[in-house]
Amino acid sequence: NAGVMQNPRHLVRRRGQEARLRCSPMKGHSHVYWYRQLPEEGLKFMVYLQKENIIDESGMPKERFSAEFPKEGPSILRIQQVVRGDSAAYFCASSPPAKSYEQYFGPGTRLTVT
Amino acid sequence: SQKIEQNSEALNIQEGKTATLTCNYTNYSPAYLQWYRQDPGRGPVFLLLIRENEKEKRKERLKVTFDTTLKQSLFHITASQPADSATYLCALPLNDYKLSFGAGTTVTVRA
Repeated sequence: NAGVMQNPRHLVRRRGQEARLRCSPMKGHSHVYWYRQLPEEGLKFMVYLQKENIIDESGMPKERFSAEFPKEGPSILRIQQVVRGDSAAYFCASSPPAKSYEQYFGPGTRLTVT
Repeated sequence: SQKIEQNSEALNIQEGKTATLTCNYTNYSPAYLQWYRQDPGRGPVFLLLIRENEKEKRKERLKVTFDTTLKQSLFHITASQPADSATYLCALPLNDYKLSFGAGTTVTVRA
């Protein structure tokens, strides 16, 4: 059973470009969570999604950030018009239904904005 | 606001010794607490969950305690090995699904 997959693993964008981060949850998992990790800081919750639904986006910046988890395909975290402060590691986690405390993390995407 | 603090200093220990990591929290009453391991360039890997009514939990060479009065969890790695070198994260639930993580403590085990 493959784990949580994220791609790309590393992404370099210039200021003002768009970044698209993808996450494929573990087989059988219908809940996806995105977290951001800045250097020397703990992971911070961004958003919780179920198929075709955003359940909680309270950790997402109000502008430029959006997330989706379509019926088919991976979950996407999209950052428009990136700025240097968006440089971080972005982790996706998934969980089985009714076990939201049991989150399995992907390897992360390291975004660098130049 | 809620706060989680882990040992701010990195831990360097000799192989075979016990590493003890601390996780303190304030303004929380968590139903459980989790510990994760994170290697450089990798995502966190779940190690142990301890519930508020459990004082201690063990898994192989790992032992976790949870003192809800002190608002503290201790994480012990006994008979440590170089392969145990990693960053260890403490996490508490803000609700049913939202986890709040400490900044982590980096452990290096010398052969």
